[in-house]
Amino acid sequence: QAVLTQPPSVSGAPGQRVTISCTGTSSNIGADYEVQWYQQLPGTAPKLLIFANTNRPSGVPDRFSASTSGTSASLAITGLQAEDEADYYCQSYDTSLGGYWVFGGGTKLTVL
Amino acid sequence: QITLRESGPALVKPTQTLTLTCTFSGFSLRTTGVAVGWIRQPPGKALEWLALIYWNDDKRYSPSLKSRLTIAKDASRNQVVLTMTNMDPVDTGTYFCARLNWGFHYWGQGALVTVSS
Repeated sequence: QAVLTQPPSVSGAPGQRVTISCTGTSSNIGADYEVQWYQQLPGTAPKLLIFANTNRPSGVPDRFSASTSGTSASLAITGLQAEDEADYYCQSYDTSLGGYWVFGGGTKLTVL
Repeated sequence: QITLRESGPALVKPTQTLTLTCTFSGFSLRTTGVAVGWIRQPPGKALEWLALIYWNDDKRYSPSLKSRLTIAKDASRNQVVLTMTNMDPVDTGTYFCARLNWGFHYWGQGALVTVSS
């Protein structure tokens, strides 16, 4: 079971806005450890979408944005496009058990 | 340009030891702050962080797999090696190496490892 909790699936129509939540605890997101978001297209390696809570690597469209609050984080995708259909993972660092990197269980985004 | 590539056996038998090599280019593990990690993904399931090694040879392991994992680097050859002992069918999946840089910024394509007799 993943340390960070994500909804298994979300969906939206082209052009709409969707959000994906990522719930952690006081030993990871709540301890102010930064959250990253990854997009994984079928059969490919994950791609870094957001780093350090809110920052986009160069080349990532500004349709993707993220935020954190307390023990949770959220990824928002606006102007949904068919090419956005993928699995999305949040990731952070957890201080328990000596410290280790943790991922969410992943969310499948379906573009209707 | 930063690239990483995983290599290793596609098939291992239960109880055997898996050895995977990550060969990278475009950066050096002799540079302060650089780290390379391993992440795996069972078929149809989520990502799971396994291990990470820093430029200064500091090593970190997943608490649940620590007893089975060893990570090492050969900075002169631009390689990071992961060994996992006592392989089991539940260890079947794609194994990725990735450079840690404000998150896992650069990933290899992954190596599919099947554990079966």
